[in-house]
Amino acid sequence: GENVEQHPSTLSVQEGDSAVIKCTYSDSASNYFPWYKQELGKGPQLIIDIRSNVGEKKDQRIAVTLNKTAKHFSLHITETQPEDSAVYFCGGAGTASKLTFGTGTRLQVTL
Amino acid sequence: GAGVSQSPSNKVTEKGKDVELRCDPISGHTALYWYRQRLGQGLEFLIYFQGNSAPDKSGLPSDRFSAERTGESVSTLTIQRTQQEDSAVYLCASSDGIFFYEQYFGPGTRLTVT
Repeated sequence: GENVEQHPSTLSVQEGDSAVIKCTYSDSASNYFPWYKQELGKGPQLIIDIRSNVGEKKDQRIAVTLNKTAKHFSLHITETQPEDSAVYFCGGAGTASKLTFGTGTRLQVTL
Repeated sequence: GAGVSQSPSNKVTEKGKDVELRCDPISGHTALYWYRQRLGQGLEFLIYFQGNSAPDKSGLPSDRFSAERTGESVSTLTIQRTQQEDSAVYLCASSDGIFFYEQYFGPGTRLTVT
């Protein structure tokens, strides 16, 4: 089955700086890679996703890049704000319709 | 429209008791998933329902765990003879069956076994 690894486990950046979170996956058949944001006491919220026929996708301050050859994908957040502080999870899915999640990155944006 | 809802939001139970957790998916979503999230940990897949197909139970950790879903609506996750290691947040997600992978999560049920 799919195995997704996520780094770093914690990340602290100053407000206005960029944050990058990286994930690798094992199953070359995986073709869908979402990113979720989880705020304290809430369920994860889908913030952006990318499919394997695309190398990069951007939505305002967030972007995701995918390197299928190397089997890794990354979340980029620019101009970070305090409200970006949360735990971020990456995921991977192939033909099984079942997402495998990374272990999460706790992002802290400091003033 | 309404998102995924779960009840109760919090549940405290004594070791050995049975508990039932409820999930109401987004209307029209044919796929429903249950996950477990231990404190500070990632999301652990438990079970997946898709329409009238047999559920994928491959993530259930023991036979004390079971889940049911009536048609394409409500699902209940039952944990029998609860143990302290069952303490976690139980999350439910649904998707529309077209873009299977776009899962939308509920707020979770925090289960504490004393």
